[in-house]
Amino acid sequence: EVQVVESGGGLVQPGDSLRLSCVASGFTFNRYWMRWVRQAPGKGLEWVANIKQDGSEKYYVDSVKGRFTISRDNAKNSLYLQMDNLRAEDTAVYYCATGYCTSDACYYGFEYWGQGTLVTVSS
Amino acid sequence: QSALTQPRSVSGSPGQSVTISCTGTSSDVGAYNYVSWYQHHPGKAPKFMIYDVDKRPSGVPDRFSGSKSGNTASLTVSGLQSEDEADYYCCSYAGTYTWVFGGGTKLTVL
Repeated sequence: EVQVVESGGGLVQPGDSLRLSCVASGFTFNRYWMRWVRQAPGKGLEWVANIKQDGSEKYYVDSVKGRFTISRDNAKNSLYLQMDNLRAEDTAVYYCATGYCTSDACYYGFEYWGQGTLVTVSS
Repeated sequence: QSALTQPRSVSGSPGQSVTISCTGTSSDVGAYNYVSWYQHHPGKAPKFMIYDVDKRPSGVPDRFSGSKSGNTASLTVSGLQSEDEADYYCCSYAGTYTWVFGGGTKLTVL
């Protein structure tokens, strides 16, 4: 059974830092691109960041560039999001998601998702 | 990286069909055949429904179908069932390993 579990959310003040973690099981973690997606209260989903299978390539939405860092530890089947200099507009539920792979190939898409962890940035 | 445009809500009666549109630009939806769709029941993990515009992952009922014309993609849900009531999001590849989602559409089964 596939499981994706995020943790690390909480209430922080503007300018603070927070590190989110995601532990995955039930699939071959190092075969998948991994992603973070967020949903602000009452808003839609927003892609935040991607990391390649071996961690060699990372991409970010413009609004978090220079403040957030995505990383992974394939030995621990884990994905991370280091969030620095947090702003009120970063308040959201943060989801960890995988790319999409079949037995034959990998495709563009977000296959497995966790249930999210809430980050609240407020003074 | 502007969000794709989706209607706020759609509705239909059990057994009917509904279509949700997703409008982007020539830099995302119009440029790539990499549109995907997600079903989201609030408080739960989103579910992957469609990829590459019109392909269904294993386990997704064939009542769900996708299409694209120009800068607009669409998700059609046929034979509506009560459990289809959820929020639906489109997503498009936008180049250089970046992605853009739609604002979401609430599907109500009357």
